[in-house]
Amino acid sequence: AQTVTQSQPEMSVQEAETVTLSCTYDTSENNYYLFWYKQPPSRQMILVIRQEAYKQQNATENRFSVNFQKAAKSFSLKISDSQLGDTAMYFCAFMKGGSEKLVFGKGTKLTVNP
Amino acid sequence: GAVVSQHPSWVICKSGTSVKIECRSLDFQATTMFWYRQFPKQSLMLMATSNEGSKATYEQGVEKDKFLINHASLTLSTLTVTSAHPEDSSFYICSAIDSDNYGYTFGSGTRLTVV
Repeated sequence: AQTVTQSQPEMSVQEAETVTLSCTYDTSENNYYLFWYKQPPSRQMILVIRQEAYKQQNATENRFSVNFQKAAKSFSLKISDSQLGDTAMYFCAFMKGGSEKLVFGKGTKLTVNP
Repeated sequence: GAVVSQHPSWVICKSGTSVKIECRSLDFQATTMFWYRQFPKQSLMLMATSNEGSKATYEQGVEKDKFLINHASLTLSTLTVTSAHPEDSSFYICSAIDSDNYGYTFGSGTRLTVV
């Protein structure tokens, strides 16, 4: 079974600075997808970024980018120019190709300080 | 973009009663929807996969007779918590797959409190 590990239960960063959230996963699959979701205090799950395993290029969405290291099974999220609105729980998730089930990590609580 | 509407956003019920939670895909058809449960400060735990026109597939350890799932149309799935007890109090979230947004769209969640 696939597992997703987020080793940082909580992190904080100053506004406008950069922060990196870690995620590692364990799988024997070669075809899979990785995601970062944000859950603000409203508890609405919001997709931040996704990465297809077959793509070598790291995904980027505005201030959010990932460092996907397939061999190391690592998928970290970098948030640049942190904003107060980035304060949220961040969940890393894995989905096997051909499956529709998401496997979530335990989450990292990020606080952006003014 | 794809929108999933979940109702109610919160509900308080008495122990022993049943509660129904609705999950609707507003602008796309969802043959598959998912129901999650989230305890405070914890991750999302998949409860079941809801399939349009067929029985739901439950994850190990989830009581199918307590958590009834119905997916009668391509835009609506319901979760009924039967004979609710205080330990069923939790945050329930649904999600659906939109083929143009592979990675799910989530509902806004339902906070259930059983007193």
